[in-house]
Amino acid sequence: GESVGLHLPTLSVQEGDNSIINCAYSNSASDYFIWYKQESGKGPQFIIDIRSNMDKRQGQRVTVLLNKTVKHLSLQIAATQPGDSAVYFCAELKTSYDKVIFGPGTSLSVIP
Amino acid sequence: NAGVTQTPKFQVLKTGQSMTLQCAQDMNHEYMSWYRQDPGMGLRLIHYSVGAGITDQGEVPNGYNVSRSTTEDFPLRLLSAAPSQTSVYFCASSSRYSYNSPLHFGNGTRLTVT
Repeated sequence: GESVGLHLPTLSVQEGDNSIINCAYSNSASDYFIWYKQESGKGPQFIIDIRSNMDKRQGQRVTVLLNKTVKHLSLQIAATQPGDSAVYFCAELKTSYDKVIFGPGTSLSVIP
Repeated sequence: NAGVTQTPKFQVLKTGQSMTLQCAQDMNHEYMSWYRQDPGMGLRLIHYSVGAGITDQGEVPNGYNVSRSTTEDFPLRLLSAAPSQTSVYFCASSSRYSYNSPLHFGNGTRLTVT
């Protein structure tokens, strides 16, 4: 069936370093991918998204890369800060189906 | 602008009890959905709605009912609570799902069933 999964359940990085969080998806029909950040006690918050007709999209300190050949998605965070400590989820959907499927999440811990 | 509001924040039920988790949004979003979040399993879709009067099942719908009588509200009902339904529940909404229209989440309801 459809699934979205993460390679690394936990990730620790030094403050100021770059972080890379990876995600594998299995539904080749998915055409929209999103990264969310969830802080403790809160609901997930949108970070960045990408359509399947793109392979890269940049935000303020974040970049999402999409490799459709191997069905892989990654989130890169530049100059990681303590405020980036959170759980990060990737999500996929095929827009005509209206079902947003989330991966299990990666916990990012920033070491001061 | 309140966004997505969920009530209650915490709830303890005994097995077999029923309850309704409330969700309201003030953004005039057509799309609303319910997820449950369990450790190590991410967010799993329970039910969703693409507009008033329309609902559909997600990945884990058993044991839950929903209705969508208005655009603003999307309550989730547990008819006979079971310990397996102990979880954190999130409601989310968006404009009819499209690029640049991601989900907006509430802050969750933490439910314990004993």
